[in-house]
Amino acid sequence: DVKVTQSSRYLVKRTGEKVFLECVQDMDHENMFWYRQDPGLGLRLIYFSYDVKMKEKGDIPEGYSVSREKKERFSLILESASTNQTSMYLCASSLFRTGARYNEQFFGPGTRLTVL
Amino acid sequence: AQTVTQSQPEMSVQEAETVTLSCTYDTSESDYYLFWYKQPPSRQMILVIRQEAYKQQNATENRFSVNFQKAAKSFSLKISDSQLGDAAMYFCAYNNNDMRFGAGTRLTVKP
Repeated sequence: DVKVTQSSRYLVKRTGEKVFLECVQDMDHENMFWYRQDPGLGLRLIYFSYDVKMKEKGDIPEGYSVSREKKERFSLILESASTNQTSMYLCASSLFRTGARYNEQFFGPGTRLTVL
Repeated sequence: AQTVTQSQPEMSVQEAETVTLSCTYDTSESDYYLFWYKQPPSRQMILVIRQEAYKQQNATENRFSVNFQKAAKSFSLKISDSQLGDAAMYFCAYNNNDMRFGAGTRLTVKP
């Protein structure tokens, strides 16, 4: 079974702090994704990566950056956390870089981030 | 951009009964995939069922089946013989190289 793990289930940070959310997948997947999940808005894509050191902006990249130094690890960085970044953050991975339509995404358990 | 709409924020079903969750989407593409994902409380999101747009036959997975109406751009999920473990948030998703999710439907199962 594919396993996607995230470094923390719950995180509380203060406004202005730099925050790192880590995600690791163990199935050699090409693609990795970061979403934020908010009630009534579903999942919104922040960033994704289809290869090591590659990254692409999603729908809501402002205030975030990412890093993918190794294939299995994809980090989300909040450079200066703000209260409006309080949310559930979900990491996901999928296998194929091409033929992407078929790809299901495998999700981590999520990190609930609270910014005070 | 493609949009996915789930018009039912919350649904409720009696145990052992059948419930249908609605999903519509907007696209100009002809080839794509549609998914239903389940997110149980405090647990990971998992894939329930997947449908390719070019297949006319509706997908089924045990108690889960879909009603895919391509012309109407509708993709509903039917859960038969509902169980307590079916209680979760359900997300409809559209994928044509770019996965798009609906806002979700919270399903409650009453014993």
